Amino acid sequence: QVQLHESGPGVVKSSETLSLTCTVSGGPISGNYWAWVRQPPGKGLECLGHVFSTGRTNYNPSLESRVTISIDMSRKRFSLRLTSVTAADTAVYYCARLGCNGESCYDAYYYYSMDVWGTGTTVKVSS
Amino acid sequence: QSVLTQPPSASGTPGQTVTISCFGSDSNVGSNPVHWYQHVPGMAPKLLIYRTHQRPSGVPDRFSGARSGTSASLAISGLQSEDEARYYCATWDDKLSGLYVFGSGTDVTVL
Repeated sequence: QVQLHESGPGVVKSSETLSLTCTVSGGPISGNYWAWVRQPPGKGLECLGHVFSTGRTNYNPSLESRVTISIDMSRKRFSLRLTSVTAADTAVYYCARLGCNGESCYDAYYYYSMDVWGTGTTVKVSS
Repeated sequence: QSVLTQPPSASGTPGQTVTISCFGSDSNVGSNPVHWYQHVPGMAPKLLIYRTHQRPSGVPDRFSGARSGTSASLAISGLQSEDEARYYCATWDDKLSGLYVFGSGTDVTVL
């Protein structure tokens, strides 16, 4: 059973860089997309972006200049880097797998859904 | 501002059916399968419906998904108190360079 675990600092100073890592256990990292999702207090879920196991990335246009998602196949983990953070980046950050629910996705990206989630980690931006 | 629009709230009494809508556009809901997530505060979101109609193992058949044109819906029949949560639709957006996007979320209350 695939499990994801987020790690990183719980507090980041304003204007600095937020860095989180998600470790994958219990299953392969290849053949799936790996995503970062956040929920600011009182707001909804927002996908920050995702990386395919080949290294191909897609980022939320609202954050594109500040966000980087990378993958380390050998260590079975992927990471989020968000620069120049402000109070608006305070949120619960989740890592998630975009997978095929045990079925074939027929190489069609649109069949992938977030079928495995980490427990989430709270990040507060301090002034 | 979410790419997919949902009503902020919905409610029903135990046993009733509640339907949540999700409005998108040709580049997302109109082109790609829709997924639904249940999010209980303090816990990780949970996949409820994938590929518009499919339920993951363990999800009761009280939950069902549908899509028509650029809108989708999630129906919860036989509403139970444990169904109180926020529900999100999600899909891929071809106009946003193939980004996975969420709806604005709907809070379901069991009266």
